[in-house]
Amino acid sequence: GENVEQHPSTLSVQEGDSAVIKCTYSDSASNYFPWYKQELGKGPQLIIDIRSNVGEKKDQRIAVTLNKTAKHFSLHITETQPEDSAVYFCAARRSGSGGYQKVTFGTGTKLQVIP
Amino acid sequence: DAGVIQSPRHEVTEMGQEVTLRCKPISGHDYLFWYRQTMMRGLELLIYFNNNVPIDDSGMPEDRFSAKMPNASFSTLKIQPSEPRDSAVYFCASMRGGGGELFFGEGSRLTVL
Repeated sequence: GENVEQHPSTLSVQEGDSAVIKCTYSDSASNYFPWYKQELGKGPQLIIDIRSNVGEKKDQRIAVTLNKTAKHFSLHITETQPEDSAVYFCAARRSGSGGYQKVTFGTGTKLQVIP
Repeated sequence: DAGVIQSPRHEVTEMGQEVTLRCKPISGHDYLFWYRQTMMRGLELLIYFNNNVPIDDSGMPEDRFSAKMPNASFSTLKIQPSEPRDSAVYFCASMRGGGGELFFGEGSRLTVL
């Protein structure tokens, strides 16, 4: 089955700096890569996703990149703010016809933005 | 939309007691998932339903765990008897279609003494 590895497990940055979280996956058939943000005491929430037909996607201060050949993808947060402090999970899934395919989550990165 | 609603938010019980966690998915979502989150194992998928039918329960750790979905707007996860190692945060999530976004509830934090 799919295996998703995520690094680092913890990350501290100064407010205004950038943060980068990296993930690798094992199943070359995976073609959908969502990122979730989990704030303290809450459930994970989708913040951005990327499909395998594109290499990069941006949404304001957040961007994701995907390298299918190397089977790795990354989350980039620019101009970090204290409210970005949370645990971030990457995930991978096959997506296509035939119904649901299991999402495999990474182990999470605890991001702390220091004011 | 109200989102995925879980209850109780916190549950403290003693070993051997029965625990029932409840979930109301987002209206119109045909997939429902139960996850368990611990520091050691991260997010684990326990079971998921499609149109109220259990599809994959391979993540259910033991026979002490059971889940039901009697209708499209309600699901339960039951642990009987509970053990201290069951202490975790249990999340319910729902999805529309097989390729949609997962929407998580706020979780039920279970502590078994």
